[in-house]
Amino acid sequence: NAGVTQTPKFQVLKTGQSMTLQCAQDMNHEYMSWYRQDPGMGLRLIHYSVGAGITDQGEVPNGYNVSRSTTEDFPLRLLSAAPSQTSVYFCASRTYKATNEKLFFGSGTQLSVL
Amino acid sequence: EDQVTQSPEALRLQEGESSSLNCSYTVSGLRGLFWYRQDPGKGPEFLFTLYSAGEEKEKERLKATLTKKESFLHITAPKPEDSATYLCAFRALSNAGGTSYGKLTFGQGTILTVHP
Repeated sequence: NAGVTQTPKFQVLKTGQSMTLQCAQDMNHEYMSWYRQDPGMGLRLIHYSVGAGITDQGEVPNGYNVSRSTTEDFPLRLLSAAPSQTSVYFCASRTYKATNEKLFFGSGTQLSVL
Repeated sequence: EDQVTQSPEALRLQEGESSSLNCSYTVSGLRGLFWYRQDPGKGPEFLFTLYSAGEEKEKERLKATLTKKESFLHITAPKPEDSATYLCAFRALSNAGGTSYGKLTFGQGTILTVHP
């Protein structure tokens, strides 16, 4: 049972570099999202998607882009990395069914921007 | 402004010493209150959802309760394997429909350490 798979697990970037964090789920979930987790701040929503071709901004979207071309994949792009983007990033997914509000999280990507 | 605060930030217990974690929230309309467990180096793992004041949910040594202003996670006779960070989150009624149904607001977490 793969669930939500994130790659890479660790990444170091220099300021100004770009990269893509990958997220894939095999549960046929409509909803997918990206959170960042910083010490003392809690998890904050970056972007989310309710289906292929549909994305929207969360609480902290600046500096990040997303797209959703398939149900399974929801990559997060850092356009020009900044030290303020040093964080742990989590992808999460869930089904749309109102009776099941359980969010499934990936294992995270630890990103350092120097 | 909708917000959630967890206390204490850290809690150390001896094995078998029961205690409670607190989650205080301010939201114009509550759709659901969630508890997650997070182990070091891993993503959060779902524990409970509570929808209305007075509701309770139990799982092994954990029991979650909800009032109109706060939620408690009660840990009875904890074991070292219960050591983790416990996160609470809410979904506002304003995020219940449309395309916002998955938006959760998280607290900063309580780090629980249970010593043998």
